[in-house]
Amino acid sequence: DAGVIQSPRHEVTEMGQEVTLRCKPISGHNSLFWYRQTMMRGLELLIYFNNNVPIDDSGMPEDRFSAKMPNASFSTLKIQPSEPRDSAVYFCASSLINTGAGANVLTFGAGSRLTVL
Amino acid sequence: LAKTTQPISMDSYEGQEVNITCSHNNIATNDYITWYQQFPSQGPRFIIQGYKTKVTNEVASLFIPADRKSSTLSLPRVSLSDTAVYYCLVGSNYQLIWGAGTKLIIKP
Repeated sequence: DAGVIQSPRHEVTEMGQEVTLRCKPISGHNSLFWYRQTMMRGLELLIYFNNNVPIDDSGMPEDRFSAKMPNASFSTLKIQPSEPRDSAVYFCASSLINTGAGANVLTFGAGSRLTVL
Repeated sequence: LAKTTQPISMDSYEGQEVNITCSHNNIATNDYITWYQQFPSQGPRFIIQGYKTKVTNEVASLFIPADRKSSTLSLPRVSLSDTAVYYCLVGSNYQLIWGAGTKLIIKP
């Protein structure tokens, strides 16, 4: 298994440009998470999908951020327009959530480091 | 959601056993305790998860007292490659709060 695959690994863009981050979760996992990590705020959950449906997007900063999961093997996080304060590492993680006991065990991708100038 | 408290940083030496304690006073009945490790420029990686008593796997042990208000991650015989940030999380389902973690530095 190749794990969770994210692209691009690094993105440098200018303020106002559109940024699209991509994620391929682990095959068979039914849940997908987008996180943002900064030195100041640590790891923040942006959005959580279960069976391709957005369940909790309360962490999405504002309308400039949007996320989609058109199928079980692909998700995108889009920022339009981007701003310097969006500079961070964005992680995608996937998990197999069972309705029984136990908490999620998340498998993270390597992250996409975004720099907005 | 239960919040966790853990030391900001710790130092140790190669070959030593390292214990990192996490406090989670508001843990709920359904909550599990999970530890992750994160190296620079990588995503967090799952280490171990438990509900009560003791759990052991090939890399670590997790000790949870009866009241479950704290937990201790034990790393046996650490090496330089164990230098990383270690996160303690408490929750169930998808609701997890990530704290600042403990930056563990292993010295030769």
